[in-house]
Amino acid sequence: DTEVTQTPKHLVMGMTNKKSLKCEQHMGHRAMYWYKQKAKKPPELMFVYSYEKLSINESVPSRFSPECPNSSLLNLHLHALQPEDSALYLCASSQEQGYEQYFGPGTRLTVT
Amino acid sequence: GIQVEQSPPDLILQEGANSTLRCNFSDSVNNLQWFHQNPWGQLINLFYIPSGTKQNGRLSATTVATERYSLLYISSSQTTDSGVYFCAVDYKLSFGAGTTVTVRA
Repeated sequence: DTEVTQTPKHLVMGMTNKKSLKCEQHMGHRAMYWYKQKAKKPPELMFVYSYEKLSINESVPSRFSPECPNSSLLNLHLHALQPEDSALYLCASSQEQGYEQYFGPGTRLTVT
Repeated sequence: GIQVEQSPPDLILQEGANSTLRCNFSDSVNNLQWFHQNPWGQLINLFYIPSGTKQNGRLSATTVATERYSLLYISSSQTTDSGVYFCAVDYKLSFGAGTTVTVRA
């Protein structure tokens, strides 16, 4: 099974709201990733977790806060977002950092 | 970071036609993946191919790591092949801009 699940599928939030995106995998993978994809652009890496520790932060604004509570779960906490943060947020996992990545279906976020 | 260029940017095909998509990258890589993104945004793994040749049904891919390019071949295209094809390289998966493929019935 190569499934990565993400919830919710769609999210609309105001600029003062706090919300969280959730990602889960049960493949025993030890690396998990968050990507952001704007319309008609390729995905861009935001964060990498390896063995539940933050390995890479691609200079993402602090209004995005990742969390990896265990090896199967990855969250992205959102606070005080801007309309330009509206995008498709994709989660991925791989056996180890640098190995083949498998993506979830994404969460479409709209910030009003 | 590594630069990834994909060509052509857009491709319109008649059903049944064959095509080749190209991915050039600026430095040696240990990881190269091809993806198909469907209209709902799902990235579907096509190939993990840092070097060599692989085939999966009507799709095949070749990576020549020493010359820093990879090719994706689509044979006997079908309307369901429509979408954006991405090449991504390196452990941080730097993506190319993609090739948008439209297959007409």
